Amino acid sequence: GAGVSQSPSNKVTEKGKDVELRCDPISGHTALYWYRQSLGQGLEFLIYFQGNSAPDKSGLPSDRFSAERTGGSVSTLTIQRTQQEDSAVYLCASSLGPAGGLYEQYFGPGTRLTVT
Amino acid sequence: KNEVEQSPQNLTAQEGEFITINCSYSVGISALHWLQQHPGGGIVSLFMLSSGKKKHGRLIATINIQEKHSSLHITASHPRDSAVYICAVRKTYFGTGTSLTVIP
Repeated sequence: GAGVSQSPSNKVTEKGKDVELRCDPISGHTALYWYRQSLGQGLEFLIYFQGNSAPDKSGLPSDRFSAERTGGSVSTLTIQRTQQEDSAVYLCASSLGPAGGLYEQYFGPGTRLTVT
Repeated sequence: KNEVEQSPQNLTAQEGEFITINCSYSVGISALHWLQQHPGGGIVSLFMLSSGKKKHGRLIATINIQEKHSSLHITASHPRDSAVYICAVRKTYFGTGTSLTVIP
């Protein structure tokens, strides 16, 4: 079946512009996660959605970052007024059940964001 | 101090060698994940374990909850095993990864 998909695969934007990154999780997966990975760095948690619960936004680095998940499916991560330090690969993952449970995470291919 | 510590950071092995990557964590968990990331590629979940031992082909993962420690073993390593291996707990804590290179 289809895995987690993300679009675009690559995005180059000018400093100060807003960008939207999209994630389509696996159908039926209730949990959705956003992470980012800067060049040569480890994975960094950004935000987590589980069903109809309020999202866990504890990893968002600034108020320029926001995310929503519509209808419990597709999610969009928005970065406003992009800065060069936002350049990274943004990864989305989904799982059948909530974080902390024994549910495997499935990762998308990522969106490589470059801010010039 | 990081909540998840991995060792070694880098590892080079000859094809056929037995490989061990270690992960220690300091937070309470219900499960620990081992992830694999190939150069330029995406991330694949290898194991999710809450106790004991799991085996998939040449890969074996063990966890000791009391000691807050997990190991990932690769038996009869192969060049295609070359990747970064990442230990993760909860949804927020990741090790910095172990970069493995297997030489033919």
